[in-house]
Amino acid sequence: DVKVTQSSRYLVKRTGEKVFLECVQDMDHENMFWYRQDPGLGLRLIYFSYDVKMKEKGDIPEGYSVSREKKERFSLILESASTNQTSMYLCASSSLGRGSYEQYFGPGTRLTVT
Amino acid sequence: ELKVEQNPLFLSMQEGKNYTIYCNYSTTSDRLYWYRQDPGKSLESLFVLLSNGAVKQEGRLMASLDTKARLSTLHITAAVHDLSATYFCAVDEGNKLVFGAGTILRVKS
Repeated sequence: DVKVTQSSRYLVKRTGEKVFLECVQDMDHENMFWYRQDPGLGLRLIYFSYDVKMKEKGDIPEGYSVSREKKERFSLILESASTNQTSMYLCASSSLGRGSYEQYFGPGTRLTVT
Repeated sequence: ELKVEQNPLFLSMQEGKNYTIYCNYSTTSDRLYWYRQDPGKSLESLFVLLSNGAVKQEGRLMASLDTKARLSTLHITAAVHDLSATYFCAVDEGNKLVFGAGTILRVKS
């Protein structure tokens, strides 16, 4: 079974803090993704990566950065957390296996910025 | 730009009834996915549809894909309370997915 893990289920940070969210997958997938999910807004793609050290901006990259130093690990960084970054953050991974790019999701991190 | 629209966005059903959720998308794609999300939880894969005419069934849920009409349906047969969740469709855009807004399904006894 594919397993995608995220470093924390719940996180509370103060405004202005630097926040690291980590995601690890164990299926040797090339592609990894960070989404945020807010009520009424669905899933919005923040960044994705299709290879080590490669990254692409998604729909809402402002205020975020990412790092992918190893294939299995994809980190999301909030350089200076703000209250409007309070959200559920979901990591996913995929690979072109069996003809599809089905994404497998981690359990999510609920981040609160106060 | 690929756009994915789901309807309805909210569905309240009686147990035992049938209903269909629709997923329309704007540009050609042969690959479509359905996910389920329980409250406070992450997304779980339900169906992977990889060609025109594909049909998959799991229990009371059946998904189909018509690539010519750019339409997928998720049909619920004889709904039960355990099916209450949010359902997302997602369409392949190269190596990433574009998600619909989700359909919140509530099954009432």
